[in-house]
Amino acid sequence: RKEVEQDPGPFNVPEGATVAFNCTYSNSASQSFFWYRQDCRKEPKLLMSVYSSGNEDGRFTAQLNRASQYISLLIRDSKLSDSATYLCVVTLLDSGSARQLTFGSGTQLTVLP
Amino acid sequence: GAVVSQHPSWVICKSGTSVKIECRSLDFQATTMFWYRQFPKQSLMLMATSNEGSKATYEQGVEKDKFLINHASLTLSTLTVTSAHPEDSSFYICSARDGEVSPLHFGNGTRLTVT
Repeated sequence: RKEVEQDPGPFNVPEGATVAFNCTYSNSASQSFFWYRQDCRKEPKLLMSVYSSGNEDGRFTAQLNRASQYISLLIRDSKLSDSATYLCVVTLLDSGSARQLTFGSGTQLTVLP
Repeated sequence: GAVVSQHPSWVICKSGTSVKIECRSLDFQATTMFWYRQFPKQSLMLMATSNEGSKATYEQGVEKDKFLINHASLTLSTLTVTSAHPEDSSFYICSARDGEVSPLHFGNGTRLTVT
């Protein structure tokens, strides 16, 4: 089983739709969680951190479910500009290891006009 | 916010030559930087963790003699692809963070094409 798993998609949704992605992680000791977006041929950019209580930034809502070991990203009123690949990142504090940051493989979203 | 600068953005080189990529943290000190490689339509793959003042830690399957990493200061790490071959053509991205639980900040990536 992969340490961090995401549905690769693609998710094709109409403009204005609400779409949600999940990301599951296998290590219960994971401590920090983030969502990044990556546009084609560009570097990933931080979208938002994910806090235990859940957090919202405009049209984007991130939630963490420690019991079920997954994080989610909800995008409301999707825009054409939201089309990108969304990566979840899980951090495990293990100072001696090179594997303390693990990326999901990404979920591709295309918002259609 | 934290900024990571990567240079060059793209490079084309002939097979057998070496290419150096620089990664700088512009407004924070990074004791650790990370180097990734990404092939088309695939996820980021961690190549190595660069530690200031010590040897890099390489992921399994990554040849340390081919991908030389030097973390000369708290703001600069370099990746040198030695004797590059066409199969090394890829998108190389560095990242750094300014705290143990802080998010990663990425460089803008280097697109390497080896002919």
